[in-house]
Amino acid sequence: AQKVTQTQTSISVMEKTTVTMDCVYETQDSSYFLFWYKQTASGEIVFLIRQDSYKKENATVGHYSLNFQKPKSSIGLIITATQIEDSAVYFCAMREDMGYKLTFGTGTSLLVDP
Amino acid sequence: GPKVLQIPSHQIIDMGQMVTLNCDPVSNHLYFYWYKQILGQQMEFLVNFYNGKVMEKSKLFKDQFSVERPDGSYFTLKIQPTALEDSAVYFCASSLGLGIQNTLYFGAGTRLSVL
Repeated sequence: AQKVTQTQTSISVMEKTTVTMDCVYETQDSSYFLFWYKQTASGEIVFLIRQDSYKKENATVGHYSLNFQKPKSSIGLIITATQIEDSAVYFCAMREDMGYKLTFGTGTSLLVDP
Repeated sequence: GPKVLQIPSHQIIDMGQMVTLNCDPVSNHLYFYWYKQILGQQMEFLVNFYNGKVMEKSKLFKDQFSVERPDGSYFTLKIQPTALEDSAVYFCASSLGLGIQNTLYFGAGTRLSVL
């Protein structure tokens, strides 16, 4: 069974700084996919970035990047040059290869202060 | 990014009534999902639907729940009869495929309030 754990409940940072959010996962599969989503204050769920387990390079999209440490089953999200509008709840999620289910962590609430 | 539309955004019904939640998935996507989110918690998988069939469902997908997508129209979640514990936000999602095409895109959710 797959499991995703986010231990940070909330983080507060100053605008324009860099923040890292942690996520660890459990799976029996050798091939899997890791995702980060953002849920805005309006409730909308937005896909941010993904990491495929067979890729060694860390994924990067805009000011989002991942720190994929496969031996530690860890996939951290790094946001550089944070903006006020980055304030949201960030969910880590995992899906096993050819699996139907995307499993979410409990989320980390990020507050970016001016 | 790709857009999934959900109608309505909020539905209020009395316990025991039937409710249908509607979802218009991304046009070329083939896999459809419903997730349930209780306030302050994470999204939890309910069901996956492909080619007219339920491929996988969770324990949360009770016997009172059903899904269908008749003739490529809306992908629907029907609850009959509703119970108080069904109050939650229901998110529809779709993906192009499985494997490397498996990124899910979510709608804005339907808030269901069962009184």
